[in-house]
Amino acid sequence: DVKVTQSSRYLVKRTGEKVFLECVQDMDHENMFWYRQDPGLGLRLIYFSYDVKMKEKGDIPEGYSVSREKKERFSLILESASTNQTSMYLCASSFSGSPRGYTFGSGTRLTVV
Amino acid sequence: QQQVKQSPQSLIVQKGGISIINCAYENTAFDYFPWYQQFPGKGPALLIAIRPDVSEKKEGRFTISFNKSAKQFSLHIMDSQPGDSATYFCAASIKGGATNKLIFGTGTLLAVQP
Repeated sequence: DVKVTQSSRYLVKRTGEKVFLECVQDMDHENMFWYRQDPGLGLRLIYFSYDVKMKEKGDIPEGYSVSREKKERFSLILESASTNQTSMYLCASSFSGSPRGYTFGSGTRLTVV
Repeated sequence: QQQVKQSPQSLIVQKGGISIINCAYENTAFDYFPWYQQFPGKGPALLIAIRPDVSEKKEGRFTISFNKSAKQFSLHIMDSQPGDSATYFCAASIKGGATNKLIFGTGTLLAVQP
């Protein structure tokens, strides 16, 4: 069964901490994405990557960075966590080329206190 | 212009009824329109998708209706079941930089009452 695995289901961090969210996919997908999900706002794209070491900003990149050193792994980094970054974070992956559906992970619920 | 507007925000339907969720967009560069279903504690999963050269696509009880001129598309769930209770997201795909990316609607929480 193909999978996108997010390393943590729940995380609680303190304001100002550096936070790493990890995502691994086993489908050999070129593209990987980080979204955050908030009630009433849907899924908003933070960053995406179309190849190893390549990244592009999404709609809400402020306060976040990403790293993709290997094809199967895409990390989201909160340089200095703030309470307004409390959210559900979803990782997804897809093949490149013509538009296709994404495969999502189960999400990481991050609470910043 | 890259937004996808989804309505209603929530929907209650009786078992056996028809659930209808609507989405609208402005950008004619969108070229693929999927719907995702999300159960509590899970990530969204692709349910059904359509391309703009087709006006309707049906898979089992789920149908997408697509109106290109009105820039609207909708999801119809026939014979709705309690197991269909979930959050549904419409989305639209656009070429963004080096690859395609999905723009999502705000979601519809569907509750099917037994």
